[in-house]
Amino acid sequence: QSVLTQPPSVSGAPGQRITISCIGSSSNIGAGYDVHWYQQLPGTAPKLLIFRNNNRPSGVPDRFSGSKSGTSASLAITGLQADDEADYYCQSYDRSPSGHVIFGGGTRLSVL
Amino acid sequence: QLQVQESGSRLLKPSQTLSLTCAVSGDSTTSGGYSWGWIRQPPGKGLEWIGYIYHSGDTYYNPSLKSRITISADRSRNEISLTLTSVIAADTAVYFCARTGDGNCFDIWGPGTMVAISS
Repeated sequence: QSVLTQPPSVSGAPGQRITISCIGSSSNIGAGYDVHWYQQLPGTAPKLLIFRNNNRPSGVPDRFSGSKSGTSASLAITGLQADDEADYYCQSYDRSPSGHVIFGGGTRLSVL
Repeated sequence: QLQVQESGSRLLKPSQTLSLTCAVSGDSTTSGGYSWGWIRQPPGKGLEWIGYIYHSGDTYYNPSLKSRITISADRSRNEISLTLTSVIAADTAVYFCARTGDGNCFDIWGPGTMVAISS
Protein backbone atom coordinates (compact mmCIF):
# COMPACT_ATOMS: atom_id res chain seq x y z
CA GLN A 1 0.00 0.00 0.00
CA SER A 2 1.41 3.38 -1.07
CA VAL A 3 2.15 6.15 1.41
CA LEU A 4 0.60 8.59 -1.07
CA THR A 5 -3.02 7.73 -1.87
CA GLN A 6 -4.42 8.25 -5.35
CA PRO A 7 -7.79 7.14 -6.73
CA PRO A 8 -7.28 3.98 -8.81
CA SER A 9 -9.21 5.44 -11.71
CA VAL A 10 -10.87 8.57 -13.01
CA SER A 11 -12.71 9.22 -16.25
CA GLY A 12 -14.02 12.10 -18.28
CA ALA A 13 -15.37 13.00 -21.67
CA PRO A 14 -13.34 14.86 -24.28
CA GLY A 15 -13.19 18.55 -23.48
CA GLN A 16 -14.00 18.11 -19.81
CA ARG A 17 -11.88 18.93 -16.77
CA ILE A 18 -10.73 16.25 -14.35
CA THR A 19 -8.65 16.26 -11.20
CA ILE A 20 -6.52 13.55 -9.62
CA SER A 21 -5.82 13.76 -5.91
CA CYS A 22 -2.70 12.67 -4.06
CA ILE A 23 -3.25 12.40 -0.32
CA GLY A 24 -0.28 12.23 1.99
CA SER A 25 0.45 12.98 5.62
CA SER A 26 2.42 15.21 7.99
CA SER A 27 5.61 13.25 7.29
CA ASN A 28 5.61 13.91 3.56
CA ILE A 29 3.45 16.45 1.71
CA GLY A 30 2.34 18.06 4.97
CA ALA A 31 5.97 18.50 6.00
CA GLY A 32 6.48 20.82 3.04
CA TYR A 33 8.09 18.43 0.59
CA ASP A 34 7.52 19.08 -3.10
CA VAL A 35 5.10 17.02 -5.18
CA HIS A 36 5.84 15.99 -8.76
CA TRP A 37 3.50 14.39 -11.29
CA TYR A 38 4.19 11.93 -14.10
CA GLN A 39 2.21 10.66 -17.07
CA GLN A 40 2.84 7.09 -18.23
CA LEU A 41 1.42 6.00 -21.56
CA PRO A 42 1.01 2.23 -22.04
CA GLY A 43 4.33 0.46 -22.57
CA THR A 44 6.44 3.57 -22.12
CA ALA A 45 8.54 5.22 -19.43
CA PRO A 46 6.95 7.86 -17.20
CA LYS A 47 7.17 11.45 -18.39
CA LEU A 48 7.53 14.40 -16.05
CA LEU A 49 4.35 16.48 -16.19
CA ILE A 50 4.56 18.81 -13.19
CA PHE A 51 7.53 19.50 -10.91
CA ARG A 52 7.74 21.30 -7.58
CA ASN A 53 3.96 21.27 -7.08
CA ASN A 54 2.86 23.57 -9.90
CA ASN A 55 5.59 23.97 -12.52
CA ARG A 56 5.39 22.61 -16.05
CA PRO A 57 8.51 21.46 -17.91
CA SER A 58 9.04 22.94 -21.33
CA GLY A 59 6.71 21.32 -23.85
CA VAL A 60 3.96 20.31 -21.43
CA PRO A 61 0.68 22.01 -22.42
CA ASP A 62 -0.91 24.46 -20.00
CA ARG A 63 -3.96 22.16 -19.90
CA PHE A 64 -2.02 20.39 -17.14
CA SER A 65 -1.69 22.09 -13.77
CA GLY A 66 -0.74 21.12 -10.26
CA SER A 67 -1.57 22.40 -6.81
CA LYS A 68 -0.71 21.54 -3.25
CA SER A 69 -2.41 22.32 0.04
CA GLY A 70 -1.83 20.91 3.48
CA THR A 71 -1.22 17.17 3.26
CA SER A 72 -2.48 16.72 -0.28
CA ALA A 73 -1.86 17.69 -3.87
CA SER A 74 -3.89 17.64 -7.07
CA LEU A 75 -3.32 17.36 -10.78
CA ALA A 76 -5.89 19.02 -13.02
CA ILE A 77 -6.33 18.40 -16.72
CA THR A 78 -8.60 20.68 -18.72
CA GLY A 79 -9.82 20.23 -22.28
CA LEU A 80 -9.48 16.46 -21.97
CA GLN A 81 -8.16 14.73 -25.09
CA ALA A 82 -8.12 11.09 -26.16
CA ASP A 83 -4.33 10.91 -25.92
CA ASP A 84 -4.45 11.97 -22.27
CA GLU A 85 -5.56 8.41 -21.54
CA ALA A 86 -2.70 7.11 -19.39
CA ASP A 87 -1.57 6.33 -15.86
CA TYR A 88 -0.67 9.29 -13.64
CA TYR A 89 1.62 9.14 -10.61
CA CYS A 90 2.45 11.64 -7.89
CA GLN A 91 5.85 11.64 -6.17
CA SER A 92 7.12 13.23 -2.99
CA TYR A 93 9.51 12.58 -0.13
CA ASP A 94 8.85 11.05 3.26
CA ARG A 95 11.02 11.76 6.27
CA SER A 96 10.11 8.71 8.34
CA PRO A 97 11.46 6.38 9.42
CA SER A 98 14.45 7.35 7.27
CA GLY A 99 14.02 9.75 4.41
CA HIS A 100 13.09 8.29 1.10
CA VAL A 101 11.30 9.04 -2.16
CA ILE A 102 7.70 7.89 -2.37
CA PHE A 103 5.24 7.45 -5.22
CA GLY A 104 1.48 7.32 -5.22
CA GLY A 105 -0.16 4.10 -6.36
CA GLY A 106 -1.13 5.62 -9.68
CA THR A 107 -4.40 6.67 -11.31
CA ARG A 108 -5.68 5.32 -14.61
CA LEU A 109 -7.37 8.06 -16.62
CA SER A 110 -9.97 6.93 -19.13
CA VAL A 111 -11.26 9.33 -21.77
CA LEU A 112 -14.79 8.26 -22.58
CA GLN B 1 20.07 16.01 -26.46
CA LEU B 2 20.52 13.75 -23.49
CA GLN B 3 19.90 10.06 -24.14
CA VAL B 4 19.56 7.40 -21.47
CA GLN B 5 19.58 3.64 -22.03
CA GLU B 6 19.41 0.80 -19.52
CA SER B 7 20.96 -2.61 -20.16
CA GLY B 8 21.94 -5.71 -18.25
CA SER B 9 20.72 -9.03 -16.93
CA ARG B 10 17.22 -9.93 -18.14
CA LEU B 11 16.46 -13.36 -16.66
CA LEU B 12 17.73 -14.48 -13.29
CA LYS B 13 17.12 -17.30 -10.85
CA PRO B 14 16.27 -16.62 -7.20
CA SER B 15 19.33 -15.79 -5.06
CA GLN B 16 21.36 -14.53 -8.04
CA THR B 17 22.65 -10.96 -8.44
CA LEU B 18 21.00 -8.44 -10.74
CA SER B 19 23.35 -6.06 -12.53
CA LEU B 20 22.12 -3.18 -14.66
CA THR B 21 23.90 -0.32 -16.38
CA CYS B 22 22.51 3.03 -17.44
CA ALA B 23 24.42 4.60 -20.33
CA VAL B 24 24.13 8.36 -20.67
CA SER B 25 25.09 10.16 -23.84
CA GLY B 26 24.92 13.81 -24.75
CA ASP B 27 25.99 14.93 -21.25
CA SER B 28 28.40 13.91 -18.54
CA THR B 29 27.03 12.09 -15.52
CA THR B 30 28.93 14.47 -13.32
CA SER B 31 28.58 17.77 -15.13
CA GLY B 32 25.79 20.20 -14.39
CA GLY B 33 25.37 18.95 -10.82
CA TYR B 34 22.91 16.24 -11.76
CA SER B 35 22.09 13.17 -9.73
CA TRP B 36 20.69 9.89 -11.03
CA GLY B 37 18.11 7.51 -9.75
CA TRP B 38 16.82 4.01 -10.30
CA ILE B 39 13.10 3.27 -10.16
CA ARG B 40 11.32 -0.01 -10.83
CA GLN B 41 7.81 -1.07 -11.79
CA PRO B 42 6.54 -4.65 -11.29
CA PRO B 43 4.23 -5.87 -14.07
CA GLY B 44 0.84 -4.17 -13.79
CA LYS B 45 1.84 -2.24 -10.67
CA GLY B 46 3.05 1.19 -9.64
CA LEU B 47 6.45 2.83 -9.39
CA GLU B 48 8.95 2.09 -6.62
CA TRP B 49 12.04 4.21 -5.93
CA ILE B 50 15.22 2.16 -5.56
CA GLY B 51 17.86 4.78 -4.88
CA TYR B 52 19.91 7.81 -5.94
CA ILE B 53 23.51 8.57 -6.62
CA TYR B 54 24.24 12.26 -6.25
CA HIS B 55 26.75 14.14 -8.36
CA SER B 56 28.96 14.16 -5.25
CA GLY B 57 29.00 10.35 -5.29
CA ASP B 58 26.83 10.07 -2.19
CA THR B 59 24.17 7.38 -2.40
CA TYR B 60 20.71 7.12 -0.87
CA TYR B 61 18.68 3.94 -0.93
CA ASN B 62 15.11 2.81 -0.35
CA PRO B 63 15.13 1.50 3.26
CA SER B 64 13.25 -1.63 2.19
CA LEU B 65 15.99 -2.55 -0.30
CA LYS B 66 19.03 -0.96 1.31
CA SER B 67 20.70 -4.17 2.46
CA ARG B 68 20.77 -5.57 -1.09
CA ILE B 69 21.49 -2.50 -3.26
CA THR B 70 24.58 -0.79 -4.57
CA ILE B 71 24.44 2.16 -6.96
CA SER B 72 27.65 3.49 -8.47
CA ALA B 73 28.79 5.81 -11.24
CA ASP B 74 31.64 5.39 -13.72
CA ARG B 75 32.48 8.97 -14.67
CA SER B 76 34.89 8.01 -17.41
CA ARG B 77 32.25 5.94 -19.21
CA ASN B 78 29.19 8.07 -18.39
CA GLU B 79 27.47 5.09 -16.82
CA ILE B 80 25.43 4.52 -13.68
CA SER B 81 25.19 0.99 -12.35
CA LEU B 82 22.73 -0.86 -10.14
CA THR B 83 23.47 -4.09 -8.31
CA LEU B 84 20.76 -5.98 -6.42
CA THR B 85 21.82 -9.10 -4.59
CA SER B 86 19.85 -12.19 -3.53
CA VAL B 87 16.99 -11.54 -5.94
CA ILE B 88 13.55 -13.00 -5.39
CA ALA B 89 10.47 -13.29 -7.58
CA ALA B 90 9.14 -9.99 -6.21
CA ASP B 91 12.13 -8.22 -7.81
CA THR B 92 10.63 -8.96 -11.24
CA ALA B 93 10.02 -5.53 -12.76
CA VAL B 94 10.87 -3.00 -15.40
CA TYR B 95 13.89 -1.09 -14.12
CA PHE B 96 14.23 2.57 -15.10
CA CYS B 97 17.18 4.91 -14.84
CA ALA B 98 16.29 8.60 -14.57
CA ARG B 99 18.04 11.93 -14.14
CA THR B 100 17.16 13.91 -11.06
CA GLY B 101 15.99 17.43 -11.76
CA ASP B 102 14.63 20.44 -9.89
CA GLY B 103 13.26 19.55 -6.48
CA ASN B 104 14.48 15.95 -6.88
CA CYS B 105 11.94 15.14 -9.56
CA PHE B 106 12.93 12.69 -12.30
CA ASP B 107 13.04 14.76 -15.47
CA ILE B 108 14.63 12.45 -18.02
CA TRP B 109 13.96 8.71 -18.09
CA GLY B 110 15.42 5.80 -19.96
CA PRO B 111 13.00 3.45 -21.74
CA GLY B 112 13.46 0.83 -19.03
CA THR B 113 14.60 -2.76 -19.10
CA MET B 114 12.53 -5.77 -18.04
CA VAL B 115 14.10 -8.12 -15.52
CA ALA B 116 12.43 -11.44 -14.69
CA ILE B 117 13.25 -13.62 -11.72
CA SER B 118 12.19 -17.23 -12.13
CA SER B 119 13.41 -20.64 -11.07
